[in-house]
Amino acid sequence: GAVVSQHPSWVICKSGTSVKIECRSLDFQATTMFWYRQFPKQSLMLMATSNEGSKATYEQGVEKDKFLINHASLTLSTLTVTSAHPEDSSFYICSATLDAHNEQFFGPGTRLTVL
Amino acid sequence: AQSVTQPDIHITVSEGASLELRCNYSYGATPYLFWYVQSPGQGLQLLLKYFSGDTLVQGIKGFEAEFKRSQSSFNLRKPSVHWSDAAEYFCAVGSLSGTYKYIFGTGTRLKVLA
Repeated sequence: GAVVSQHPSWVICKSGTSVKIECRSLDFQATTMFWYRQFPKQSLMLMATSNEGSKATYEQGVEKDKFLINHASLTLSTLTVTSAHPEDSSFYICSATLDAHNEQFFGPGTRLTVL
Repeated sequence: AQSVTQPDIHITVSEGASLELRCNYSYGATPYLFWYVQSPGQGLQLLLKYFSGDTLVQGIKGFEAEFKRSQSSFNLRKPSVHWSDAAEYFCAVGSLSGTYKYIFGTGTRLKVLA
Protein backbone atom coordinates (compact mmCIF):
# COMPACT_ATOMS: atom_id res chain seq x y z
CA GLY A 1 0.00 0.00 0.00
CA ALA A 2 0.85 3.72 -0.10
CA VAL A 3 2.41 3.75 -3.54
CA VAL A 4 3.30 6.99 -5.28
CA SER A 5 4.13 7.17 -8.97
CA GLN A 6 5.69 9.87 -11.08
CA HIS A 7 5.51 10.45 -14.80
CA PRO A 8 7.67 10.76 -16.74
CA SER A 9 10.66 9.11 -15.11
CA TRP A 10 12.96 11.19 -17.25
CA VAL A 11 12.56 14.01 -19.71
CA ILE A 12 14.85 16.01 -21.97
CA CYS A 13 13.66 19.33 -23.28
CA LYS A 14 14.95 22.40 -25.05
CA SER A 15 15.63 25.61 -23.22
CA GLY A 16 12.55 27.84 -23.14
CA THR A 17 9.99 25.07 -23.25
CA SER A 18 7.69 23.98 -20.41
CA VAL A 19 7.65 20.55 -18.85
CA LYS A 20 4.91 18.95 -16.77
CA ILE A 21 5.61 16.26 -14.19
CA GLU A 22 2.80 14.24 -12.68
CA CYS A 23 2.67 12.77 -9.20
CA ARG A 24 -0.02 10.24 -8.36
CA SER A 25 -0.96 8.41 -5.21
CA LEU A 26 -2.08 5.05 -6.56
CA ASP A 27 -3.84 3.40 -3.65
CA PHE A 28 -4.68 6.18 -1.24
CA GLN A 29 -6.03 9.69 -1.16
CA ALA A 30 -3.43 12.29 -0.44
CA THR A 31 -4.63 15.64 0.75
CA THR A 32 -1.06 16.87 0.95
CA MET A 33 1.72 16.37 -1.56
CA PHE A 34 5.24 17.73 -1.54
CA TRP A 35 7.65 18.56 -4.31
CA TYR A 36 11.41 18.34 -3.84
CA ARG A 37 14.38 18.89 -6.08
CA GLN A 38 17.68 17.18 -5.70
CA PHE A 39 20.89 18.27 -7.38
CA PRO A 40 23.58 15.66 -8.05
CA LYS A 41 25.15 14.34 -4.88
CA GLN A 42 23.07 16.67 -2.73
CA SER A 43 20.16 16.31 -0.40
CA LEU A 44 16.48 16.86 -1.11
CA MET A 45 15.30 20.42 -0.91
CA LEU A 46 11.61 21.06 -0.39
CA MET A 47 10.17 23.30 -3.08
CA ALA A 48 6.52 23.47 -2.14
CA THR A 49 3.67 21.91 -0.24
CA SER A 50 0.57 21.18 -2.24
CA ASN A 51 -2.88 20.77 -0.74
CA GLU A 52 -5.80 19.49 -2.76
CA GLY A 53 -8.04 22.26 -3.96
CA SER A 54 -5.90 25.12 -2.72
CA LYS A 55 -2.84 27.05 -3.77
CA ALA A 56 0.52 25.55 -3.11
CA THR A 57 2.77 26.93 -0.41
CA TYR A 58 6.23 27.61 -1.75
CA GLU A 59 9.45 27.57 0.20
CA GLN A 60 11.54 30.67 0.39
CA GLY A 61 13.53 31.25 -2.76
CA VAL A 62 11.36 29.08 -5.01
CA GLU A 63 9.78 31.00 -7.86
CA LYS A 64 6.08 30.24 -7.90
CA ASP A 65 5.66 31.58 -11.41
CA LYS A 66 8.35 29.30 -12.70
CA PHE A 67 7.34 26.16 -10.85
CA LEU A 68 3.59 25.89 -11.21
CA ILE A 69 1.93 23.37 -8.96
CA ASN A 70 -1.60 22.11 -9.35
CA HIS A 71 -3.28 19.68 -6.97
CA ALA A 72 -6.63 19.23 -8.62
CA SER A 73 -7.62 15.92 -7.06
CA LEU A 74 -6.81 13.79 -4.05
CA THR A 75 -4.60 11.53 -6.13
CA LEU A 76 -2.85 13.87 -8.53
CA SER A 77 -0.48 16.79 -8.27
CA THR A 78 1.43 18.28 -11.17
CA LEU A 79 4.57 20.36 -11.31
CA THR A 80 5.12 22.43 -14.43
CA VAL A 81 8.54 23.91 -15.00
CA THR A 82 7.87 26.90 -17.20
CA SER A 83 10.41 28.33 -19.63
CA ALA A 84 12.94 25.77 -18.52
CA HIS A 85 16.64 26.60 -18.55
CA PRO A 86 19.69 24.39 -18.11
CA GLU A 87 19.97 25.40 -14.46
CA ASP A 88 16.56 23.79 -13.89
CA SER A 89 18.04 20.41 -14.75
CA SER A 90 17.63 18.33 -11.65
CA PHE A 91 15.98 15.30 -10.09
CA TYR A 92 12.45 16.15 -9.01
CA ILE A 93 10.80 13.98 -6.37
CA CYS A 94 7.27 14.16 -5.09
CA SER A 95 5.78 12.69 -1.96
CA ALA A 96 2.29 12.26 -0.58
CA THR A 97 1.01 12.00 2.93
CA LEU A 98 -2.03 10.57 4.64
CA ASP A 99 -3.63 12.94 7.06
CA ALA A 100 -2.69 12.49 10.71
CA HIS A 101 0.05 9.96 9.98
CA ASN A 102 2.79 12.41 9.17
CA GLU A 103 4.61 9.93 7.00
CA GLN A 104 5.47 10.88 3.47
CA PHE A 105 5.49 8.28 0.73
CA PHE A 106 7.91 9.12 -2.03
CA GLY A 107 7.67 8.76 -5.76
CA PRO A 108 10.55 7.34 -7.80
CA GLY A 109 11.59 10.75 -9.10
CA THR A 110 11.80 12.47 -12.47
CA ARG A 111 15.11 13.35 -14.07
CA LEU A 112 14.81 16.62 -16.00
CA THR A 113 17.54 17.63 -18.41
CA VAL A 114 17.24 20.98 -20.13
CA LEU A 115 19.46 21.45 -23.17
CA ALA B 1 15.38 26.46 13.92
CA GLN B 2 14.89 22.84 13.05
CA SER B 3 17.86 21.12 11.49
CA VAL B 4 19.32 17.72 10.77
CA THR B 5 23.03 17.01 10.70
CA GLN B 6 24.72 14.00 9.20
CA PRO B 7 28.37 14.59 10.10
CA ASP B 8 29.80 11.97 7.77
CA ILE B 9 29.63 12.76 4.07
CA HIS B 10 31.35 9.54 3.04
CA ILE B 11 31.84 6.27 4.87
CA THR B 12 33.70 3.23 3.59
CA VAL B 13 33.40 -0.16 5.25
CA SER B 14 34.38 -3.67 4.32
CA GLU B 15 31.70 -6.19 3.53
CA GLY B 16 30.71 -8.01 6.69
CA ALA B 17 31.81 -5.19 8.96
CA SER B 18 29.44 -3.33 11.23
CA LEU B 19 28.06 0.06 10.28
CA GLU B 20 26.87 3.13 12.14
CA LEU B 21 25.65 6.26 10.40
CA ARG B 22 25.20 9.30 12.57
CA CYS B 23 22.27 11.68 12.64
CA ASN B 24 21.75 14.58 15.00
CA TYR B 25 18.72 16.82 15.00
CA SER B 26 17.62 20.10 16.45
CA TYR B 27 13.93 20.33 17.21
CA GLY B 28 11.75 21.92 19.86
CA ALA B 29 10.07 18.70 20.92
CA THR B 30 10.28 15.00 20.21
CA PRO B 31 10.18 14.80 16.46
CA TYR B 32 9.26 12.09 14.04
CA LEU B 33 12.49 10.57 12.70
CA PHE B 34 13.19 8.67 9.53
CA TRP B 35 16.02 6.98 7.69
CA TYR B 36 15.86 6.59 3.92
CA VAL B 37 18.17 4.94 1.44
CA GLN B 38 18.65 6.08 -2.15
CA SER B 39 20.44 4.17 -4.87
CA PRO B 40 21.86 6.18 -7.79
CA GLY B 41 19.13 7.60 -9.99
CA GLN B 42 16.42 6.15 -7.81
CA GLY B 43 13.83 7.47 -5.41
CA LEU B 44 13.86 7.11 -1.65
CA GLN B 45 13.17 3.90 0.19
CA LEU B 46 12.12 4.05 3.82
CA LEU B 47 14.38 1.97 6.06
CA LEU B 48 12.74 2.73 9.38
CA LYS B 49 10.91 5.38 11.35
CA TYR B 50 10.42 6.51 14.93
CA PHE B 51 7.24 8.13 16.11
CA SER B 52 7.09 7.15 19.78
CA GLY B 53 7.52 4.22 22.14
CA ASP B 54 10.50 1.90 22.08
CA THR B 55 13.57 3.93 21.28
CA LEU B 56 15.25 1.07 19.42
CA VAL B 57 13.60 0.73 16.06
CA GLN B 58 13.98 -2.19 13.71
CA GLY B 59 13.79 -1.63 9.99
CA ILE B 60 14.12 -3.44 6.73
CA LYS B 61 17.30 -5.02 5.34
CA GLY B 62 18.64 -5.69 8.84
CA PHE B 63 18.93 -2.03 9.83
CA GLU B 64 18.09 -0.59 13.21
CA ALA B 65 18.24 2.85 14.75
CA GLU B 66 18.19 4.14 18.29
CA PHE B 67 16.56 7.38 19.37
CA LYS B 68 18.52 9.07 22.15
CA ARG B 69 16.73 12.13 23.40
CA SER B 70 19.60 13.26 25.62
CA GLN B 71 21.95 13.33 22.66
CA SER B 72 19.39 14.47 20.06
CA SER B 73 20.54 11.58 17.94
CA PHE B 74 19.02 8.89 15.79
CA ASN B 75 21.93 6.79 14.55
CA LEU B 76 21.47 4.02 12.04
CA ARG B 77 23.22 0.70 12.56
CA LYS B 78 23.71 -2.61 10.83
CA PRO B 79 25.75 -5.45 12.33
CA SER B 80 27.05 -6.83 9.03
CA VAL B 81 27.12 -4.81 5.83
CA HIS B 82 26.45 -6.36 2.43
CA TRP B 83 27.84 -5.05 -0.84
CA SER B 84 24.28 -4.19 -1.91
CA ASP B 85 24.04 -1.69 0.95
CA ALA B 86 26.24 0.74 -0.96
CA ALA B 87 24.03 3.79 -1.48
CA GLU B 88 23.20 7.24 -0.14
CA TYR B 89 21.50 7.38 3.25
CA PHE B 90 19.35 10.26 4.43
CA CYS B 91 18.11 11.05 7.89
CA ALA B 92 14.96 13.17 8.10
CA VAL B 93 12.97 14.93 10.78
CA GLY B 94 9.23 15.29 10.42
CA SER B 95 7.05 17.99 11.86
CA LEU B 96 4.69 16.91 14.59
CA SER B 97 1.79 18.90 13.31
CA GLY B 98 0.47 21.32 10.79
CA THR B 99 2.59 21.22 7.69
CA TYR B 100 3.99 17.69 7.99
CA LYS B 101 7.19 18.94 6.40
CA TYR B 102 10.37 16.96 6.47
CA ILE B 103 13.84 18.33 6.91
CA PHE B 104 16.50 16.15 5.36
CA GLY B 105 20.10 15.79 6.36
CA THR B 106 22.80 16.22 3.77
CA GLY B 107 23.21 12.49 3.36
CA THR B 108 25.97 9.95 3.90
CA ARG B 109 27.36 8.05 0.95
CA LEU B 110 28.25 4.49 1.88
CA LYS B 111 30.87 2.57 -0.02
CA VAL B 112 31.33 -1.13 0.64
CA LEU B 113 34.62 -2.85 -0.07
CA ALA B 114 34.56 -6.46 -1.17
